[in-house]
Amino acid sequence: DIQMTQSPSSLSASVGDRVTITCRASQNIYTYLNWYHQKPGKAPKLLIYAASSLQSGVPSRFSGSGSGTDFTLTISSLQPEDFATYYCQQTFTTPTWTFGQGTKVEIK
Amino acid sequence: QVQLVQSGAEVKKPGASVKVSCKASGYTFTSYGITWVRQAPGQGLEWMGWISGYDDNTQYAQKVQGRITMTTDTSTSTAYMELRSLKSDDTAVYYCAKVDCSGATCFFDYWGQGTLVTVSS
Repeated sequence: DIQMTQSPSSLSASVGDRVTITCRASQNIYTYLNWYHQKPGKAPKLLIYAASSLQSGVPSRFSGSGSGTDFTLTISSLQPEDFATYYCQQTFTTPTWTFGQGTKVEIK
Repeated sequence: QVQLVQSGAEVKKPGASVKVSCKASGYTFTSYGITWVRQAPGQGLEWMGWISGYDDNTQYAQKVQGRITMTTDTSTSTAYMELRSLKSDDTAVYYCAKVDCSGATCFFDYWGQGTLVTVSS
């Protein structure tokens, strides 16, 4: 099974900060990597698919990069509505999928 | 607009079964699969399985294989997830999501509101 490891597990940041979250796969997954975020009590929401493609309607301050085993989600200027938990997901082994353990972004 | 509406919260005793429904609207149900993801209290997302929207092909996570069955009713655009032999650590919010694999990759682009299943004696 492919394991997905995110870092950090949590971080504190201020509005306007540049935030970077990393995700590492246990084997090469090319660009089969998606990012979601989830606010408390709500369903997850798709942000980025195929490592770097922005989902329709998602603000351009979100961007994704990487390939192979190492991936990054960047928020260029953190907004109040971005405080949430972020998950990466590998889709290389479709139709079985794995999520990372999550990164909680909190207000400093 | 695409919507996935799930059935309401359930409370079950250990050893019982639960069946959660997910009614889809706003898209052609048979053109996309449905996946189920659960989240235990305070924990992360755990993928449970997938069912095709057109041929009932399924794939289940190893952790729940043998206890889970996913089905669809194309006449009502509804997907179902049944989990049997419930244990306390099955207590979680269960989400359904639409799976889009129309491009070079797959992603979960629309989600239901979640169904809380509580397993307690």
